[in-house]
Amino acid sequence: GDSVTQMEGPVTLSEEAFLTINCTYTATGYPSLFWYVQYPGEGLQLLLKATKADDKGSNKGFEATYRKETTSFHLEKGSVQVSDSAVYFCALTEYGNKLVFGAGTILRVKS
Amino acid sequence: DTEVTQTPKHLVMGMTNKKSLKCEQHMGHRAMYWYKQKAKKPPELMFVYSYEKLSINESVPSRFSPECPNSSLLNLHLHALQPEDSALYLCASSDRSGTGGSDTQYFGPGTRLTVL
Repeated sequence: GDSVTQMEGPVTLSEEAFLTINCTYTATGYPSLFWYVQYPGEGLQLLLKATKADDKGSNKGFEATYRKETTSFHLEKGSVQVSDSAVYFCALTEYGNKLVFGAGTILRVKS
Repeated sequence: DTEVTQTPKHLVMGMTNKKSLKCEQHMGHRAMYWYKQKAKKPPELMFVYSYEKLSINESVPSRFSPECPNSSLLNLHLHALQPEDSALYLCASSDRSGTGGSDTQYFGPGTRLTVL
């Protein structure tokens, strides 16, 4: 079945550092890919998405590119802030109504 | 507007109580979902309603009973829960466009449930 693998955390960075959170997936067809962010004590917020190969999703300085050849959707940000501290989930959906999540990566940004 | 609202924000209940969680969306979405999330884990799908009909039940115990009164509302009725049911319960919705594409799910803030 479909699966998503994320790099284990926690990831600890200093403010203004470059962020990469790796995400790879396994799917039988052509999934849509998502990054969700969960701040402490809150629900999940959609951060960005991409629906086909070579699409780049972007939002709030975060970017991820749908790479079919490497089955990857790595999340990047050029300069992180303390306010970016949260849990980041990579996810896919292939047939509309089932989201398959990765385990989540905790990001901690120090000032 | 991509807002899904959930009430209450926090709920504490005993094992013999009956309570309900509520979810509402006004985006015209035709699919709604309940998820359960334990600490430091990703959400786990419980139920899916599509066009107000239950389409997926992920083998959830009968002490959880979903209800979809109309296309904007989703309830989760709770009865005789166990302490291990304590978790964050998330509602989500998506637009079932019917084009065969994959829908984007939008989540609410969740209800933090504690069962004593």
